Amino acid sequence: DAGVIQSPRHEVTEMGQEVTLRCKPISGHDSLFWYRQTMMRGLELLIYFNNNVPIDDSGMPEDRFSAKMPNASFSTLKIQPSEPRDSAVYFCASSLIGDPRKGIQYFGAGTRLSVL
Amino acid sequence: GQQLNQSPQSMFIQEGEDVSMNCTSSSIFNTWLWYKQDPGEGPVLLIALYKAGELTSNGRLTAQFGITRKDSFLNISASIPSDVGIYFCAGQREYGNKLVFGAGTILRVKS
Repeated sequence: DAGVIQSPRHEVTEMGQEVTLRCKPISGHDSLFWYRQTMMRGLELLIYFNNNVPIDDSGMPEDRFSAKMPNASFSTLKIQPSEPRDSAVYFCASSLIGDPRKGIQYFGAGTRLSVL
Repeated sequence: GQQLNQSPQSMFIQEGEDVSMNCTSSSIFNTWLWYKQDPGEGPVLLIALYKAGELTSNGRLTAQFGITRKDSFLNISASIPSDVGIYFCAGQREYGNKLVFGAGTILRVKS
């Protein structure tokens, strides 16, 4: 299995630029989660989708952040405009709603974002 | 909101020693998960717990789901250098499929 695939692995950009992070969930999974990890705040859930529909976006910091899931095999997290405080590692995770082993999420390797 | 209190924050132990870490919550969870994160990687599942009182092992790792459903612990026996990393607990409530994560325990092993 390929696992959850995120791209890019590293992104360095300048303040004010648009940033797009990409995620391909595990094939067959129907839930997708976006997290942000920082030293200060740990792992924070930003948004999650069930069957490509956003269910809970209460963790999205502000309007500069948006996420889409146009189909079951692809999701994007966009930051526009980016700010230095957005620097963090962003993880995507996926899971199967009907999995008898409830709750287990499989994480990608993350995108390390640095906004200068 | 929901919070998990994970302790200790960090540990620096001698190779061969046993390690214990735990998570507590003011809320009941129906599922407890323990993940490990290696540097530069995403968290990887170690153990999943689904019933109050459940004790589950995975090699040198043992985890328990607390009777009150508000806590869980993870033990690592005879630590080795590759145990180094960040260990996270995570809980899931009955409805929905969100996980709440603890702040993590950083484990360092002296060989």
